[in-house]
Amino acid sequence: SQKIEQNSEALNIQEGKTATLTCNYTNYSPAYLQWYRQDPGRGPVFLLLIRENEKEKRKERLKVTFDTTLKQSLFHITASQPADSATYLCALDRANDMRFGAGTRLTVKP
Amino acid sequence: EAQVTQNPRYLITVTGKKLTVTCSQNMNHEYMSWYRQDPGLGLRQIYYSMNVEVTDKGDVPEGYKVSRKEKRNFPLILESPSPNQTSLYFCASSFGDRDAVGYGYTFGSGTRLTVV
Repeated sequence: SQKIEQNSEALNIQEGKTATLTCNYTNYSPAYLQWYRQDPGRGPVFLLLIRENEKEKRKERLKVTFDTTLKQSLFHITASQPADSATYLCALDRANDMRFGAGTRLTVKP
Repeated sequence: EAQVTQNPRYLITVTGKKLTVTCSQNMNHEYMSWYRQDPGLGLRQIYYSMNVEVTDKGDVPEGYKVSRKEKRNFPLILESPSPNQTSLYFCASSFGDRDAVGYGYTFGSGTRLTVV
């Protein structure tokens, strides 16, 4: 069966460090992979989309990689700030069949 | 302001009493979708619609109905709610073309439903 795993439920890091979140998947061949941010009690907010033929995508302090051989995406936040604390969701996207991981809750401590 | 509007935000109802959760978007998006979010299970797709009068089942459609009579509206109907439908529900919309400027799912603020 199809499975999406985000590396851990929670990740704590110190302000200024780089946060790295992992999204692994099995039995799936997404054409795209997306990352979202979700704050408590609110809907997810779109961050980045990466295509299956792209290795890396950047947006300001965010960087996403997509390795279709390893079936893995890495999401990096550089120079992290307490305001980056949130739950981050990866989503595997093939046409309109969009499946989300359970998320990783990131806490950035001052 | 570009947004997806869901109503109500909170709803407590009794088993078997039909209810509708409304969803409206003002971005002229072709694609709309409903998700439920439960602890440890993440977001699961209930139904989606690629355009007016075109709807299809997601992963967990049982017990739900949808309709897409207008491009901007995509209501979620629970004909006979049961306690296992207690959840946080999100409506989302997007352009169909992933190369479109501003592509990305836009989610509503959520509807917290409790069925007793």
